[in-house]
Amino acid sequence: RKEVEQDPGPFNVPEGATVAFNCTYSNSASQSFFWYRQDCRKEPKLLMSVYSSGNEDGRFTAQLNRASQYISLLIRDSKLSDSATYLCVVNPSWGGYQKVTFGIGTKLQVIP
Amino acid sequence: DAMVIQNPRYQVTQFGKPVTLSCSQTLNHNVMYWYQQKSSQAPKLLFHYYDKDFNNEADTPDNFQSRRPNTSFCFLDIRSPGLGDAAMYLCATSLDGGYTFGSGTRLTVV
Repeated sequence: RKEVEQDPGPFNVPEGATVAFNCTYSNSASQSFFWYRQDCRKEPKLLMSVYSSGNEDGRFTAQLNRASQYISLLIRDSKLSDSATYLCVVNPSWGGYQKVTFGIGTKLQVIP
Repeated sequence: DAMVIQNPRYQVTQFGKPVTLSCSQTLNHNVMYWYQQKSSQAPKLLFHYYDKDFNNEADTPDNFQSRRPNTSFCFLDIRSPGLGDAAMYLCATSLDGGYTFGSGTRLTVV
């Protein structure tokens, strides 16, 4: 089993739709989790951190389910500009040096 | 603005000709990383520095070397690039979680 697994997609959704991605991780001791957004041929950029209580930033909601070892990202009212690849990142520790593991990313295409 | 800067943005090199990619940061982060990312793949960690301590991933080819002369700068040296080394090379820094990436250097080997 891969350390971090994501459905690579692509997810093709119409503008205004709600879309959700999941990411599963194998290391139950993992401590912190992130979603990154990567545009085509660009570097990954931090979208949001994922906390146990879940967190929301505008149209984006991230949740963590430790029991089932997955994190999710929900995008409401999708915009064309949301088209990108969303990378799940899992960190085994809270601070100091972190050797994180990246998922392969889920590609989202929002269509008019 | 504090940031991670990679140069050049695009690099074309000949098969077997040594090439160096550079990364600088103004964030004063103690950890710096080099990742290799090929199309439709996750970034793959090559090595990292924790302050001056160098850590090589077990599966990083010997063809790849790195230098960190000071906190701000880090270099990736590819001694004899092969066609399979064509990729995006990402430099990143971190302090207390969450990475800041540079814009990457896209390497083409001809």
